[in-house]
This record gives sequence, C-alpha cells and structure tokens, in this order.
Amino acid sequence: GQQVMQIPQYQHVQEGEDFTTYCNSSTTLSNIQWYKQRPGGHPVFLIQLVKSGEVKKQKRLTFQFGEAKKNSSLHITATQTTDVGTYFCAGTSPGTYKYIFGTGTRLKVLA
Amino acid sequence: EAQVTQNPRYLITVTGKKLTVTCSQNMNHEYMSWYRQDPGLGLRQIYYSMNVEVTDKGDVPEGYKVSRKEKRNFPLILESPSPNQTSLYFCASSPILELETQYFGPGTRLLVL
Repeated sequence: GQQVMQIPQYQHVQEGEDFTTYCNSSTTLSNIQWYKQRPGGHPVFLIQLVKSGEVKKQKRLTFQFGEAKKNSSLHITATQTTDVGTYFCAGTSPGTYKYIFGTGTRLKVLA
Repeated sequence: EAQVTQNPRYLITVTGKKLTVTCSQNMNHEYMSWYRQDPGLGLRQIYYSMNVEVTDKGDVPEGYKVSRKEKRNFPLILESPSPNQTSLYFCASSPILELETQYFGPGTRLLVL
C-alpha cells in the first residue's frame, strides 16, 4: 500500500542551528500538508502545497513540494526552543479523500 | 470559539466492553475523520466522512465503526475493544478537502486491558 516516510526520525539541534525534515511518498500526491505537534498536544496545521515544485515560506519556515509531487521538505532557519515538537507531513492521492500521514520527525532544540 | 471536541479525554476499559468516543465540531465542516496515533507509526486514518451519511474506510478500519447522522457529530465506536486498540485517538474536521486544513480535536487516550 501507499507509504509516506519521513527522515530523520529524531533530530537534536543547538538553538540557532538550522533543521530540515524530508517527506517521501511511494506514490504521487495531490497535495502535501505539514503539521506540528507539541509534546502532549494535538497536530496543528502549518501549511498546504498543491503545485509541482511549489515553495512557500512562513517566517523562518520554508516548505517545498517536489517536481514529481512525491516528496516534500520543511526547513527551519535558526531554530528556537519554541520549535520543539514533532513535524508531520500528510497528503492524499489523486482521486481519493484518504489522508496518509508521514511517520514524523521529532525535533529537540537545546538552549 | 471554533473547535473540535472529543469525549472522553481519557478512558480505561476492559476487553470486549463496547465503547463510544464522541467527536463534535462547530465549524459546519463537511469532512470529518478519525486517526489513531501510535509511537513510531505516526497518525493512521481509521475512517473518514465526506458529509452526512457518507463514510469510508481509511487505512486501519478493522475493529472500528463510525456513523455520520448529523454534520457536526462523528462518533467512533469500538464494538468489542481489544488490547491492540490501546492508542491515542484524534478526531479532525475540514471544510473543503484538498484546499483546507484539518482541525484536530484534543485527543482521547484509550487503554484496553
């Protein structure tokens, strides 16, 4: 079946360092969404990308959707302690309304 | 306040005792969904609903039932819970699929003994 993998599974960074998580789908996606989940919390929507090759920025966060619409990345510049949490990608396949979530990347930021 | 609510937030039960986890949203969203979250596996979709009386299976529907009799409510039913259904469950809703975010409820932590 369709799978969405994220790497790395865990990442520890010093505050101020950059961070990137990668999301790879076994099949083409209609869209890609990114969510952040703080420890003990629920997933919170960050952004959605729908076009091949699309790049979007939110302050220190940069999101990219691959040309083949099978991979995506989230890059955080100059991490802060408030960036701590698990980042998930999620998408739907063309013609379906079923969401597939990535396995998540857990980020720890050391002050 | 726009929100998705789930009840109960925590539940301990025994194998085979039927239970229902309620989910309600006040945003008039058409799309609603249930997920379970397990360590190392991320979130997996159990069931989703495109609108009233329209439901479909997600990736892991076995052992679960849902109903969508009203637009705002989407209960998750475990007819005969088993220990492998011990998990953290999230309900989510979305106004228009593919163009809009999913709003998640606070989660229900279930332990089946």
